[in-house]
Amino acid sequence: QKEVEQDPGPLSVPEGAIVSLNCTYSNSAFQYFMWYRQYSRKGPELLMYTYSSGNKEDGRFTAQVDKSSKYISLFIRDSQPSDSATYLCAMVSSGSARQLTFGSGTQLTVLP
Amino acid sequence: GAVVSQHPSWVICKSGTSVKIECRSLDFQATTMFWYRQFPKQSLMLMATSNEGSKATYEQGVEKDKFLINHASLTLSTLTVTSAHPEDSSFYICSPRGTGLRGDGYTFGSGTRLTVV
Repeated sequence: QKEVEQDPGPLSVPEGAIVSLNCTYSNSAFQYFMWYRQYSRKGPELLMYTYSSGNKEDGRFTAQVDKSSKYISLFIRDSQPSDSATYLCAMVSSGSARQLTFGSGTQLTVLP
Repeated sequence: GAVVSQHPSWVICKSGTSVKIECRSLDFQATTMFWYRQFPKQSLMLMATSNEGSKATYEQGVEKDKFLINHASLTLSTLTVTSAHPEDSSFYICSPRGTGLRGDGYTFGSGTRLTVV
């Protein structure tokens, strides 16, 4: 079993839709949770960073962490064609010297 | 966030030759550098971790003699793929880590796409 599981998609939605991306994890030592956006042939870009259960909002993006269920989500409101990319969740455990463990990524396409 | 410069962005080389990839931290001192590899439609896999002035630590299955890492300064780390073969074709990405709020290890370079023919 992988430490971090993420549905690879692909996921296609119409412009303006609400997108929900999810990851589950098995290692209870994970304390910090990130969401990255990666455009084709580019490095990952950090979107959201959280370290506690609950919601964190930044513009159209909301990150949600449920440590009791070992489940994290990223919601994108009013999705735009420019949001089309691969979204990666990543996690860090408290004793890992800040090494990231990544999900496999979900490929998202927002259709105009 | 931190500013990271990685180049070249893409390179094509002949089988058997070596390729050097550079990663620079422009606005902080990178005491540690993480090097990742990403195959098409797959996630990032950590290859090695290097600390400035020390030998790199390689992940299981990564050949240290093939992937030479130099981290001689706090602003520059290089990854050299030696005697490259087609199976080394991949997307290589660096992620520097430094002290303070900048260089938290969560920022990545723009990546280098290597194609070995």
